[in-house]
Amino acid sequence: AQKVTQAQTEISVVEKEDVTLDCVYETRDTTYYLFWYKQPPSGELVFLIRRNSFDEQNEISGRYSWNFQKSTSSFNFTITASQVVDSAVYFCALSESTNAGKSTFGDGTTLTVKP
Amino acid sequence: DAEITQSPRHKITETGRQVTLACHQTWNHNNMFWYRQDLGHGLRLIHYSYGVQDTNKGEVSDGYSVSRSNTEDLPLTLESAASSQTSVYFCASSESSGAGFETQYFGPGTRLLVL
Repeated sequence: AQKVTQAQTEISVVEKEDVTLDCVYETRDTTYYLFWYKQPPSGELVFLIRRNSFDEQNEISGRYSWNFQKSTSSFNFTITASQVVDSAVYFCALSESTNAGKSTFGDGTTLTVKP
Repeated sequence: DAEITQSPRHKITETGRQVTLACHQTWNHNNMFWYRQDLGHGLRLIHYSYGVQDTNKGEVSDGYSVSRSNTEDLPLTLESAASSQTSVYFCASSESSGAGFETQYFGPGTRLLVL
């Protein structure tokens, strides 16, 4: 069965600090997708990124970057120079090819960025 | 613009009542999903559908039902509401592709309180 673990329940940083959110997953599939979503205080879920299991190339998008390592089953998310608007709950999720379309979510990491 | 909407956004009901939460998407997506999010946890899959007349149980389906009579709508029914079903409910949709799954796009959520 697939499983996603976000060991960090809450993280608090001061604005402009860099912060990394950890995500470790378990799956028996060789083909799968990993996702990060952001849930701001307003409650909606905002899609951030999707990576497939065949693409370990790390990605940078503005202040966001993602580090995907199959060897350690990790898909970590880093925010550089954090801002107060980054305060949110961040969810990592996994979808397996054998469970097409269904995602398993981690419990989320609450990030608080203080001014 | 295409979107996914949920109604009502907030609902208070009493134990034992039947409740139906609506989900409507204009993306023309074949795949639709219902999740619940409890405080301090990620999303857990209730039911999902890969197309008209198709419905499947997720990991927490007891006490819930869905029906899919058209592409746009997947209503979620609580047959006899229980206090344990107090939660935030999210509907999502995604395309069906050769890969079997695509990014899910989420509705704004429905906050349900069962007294």
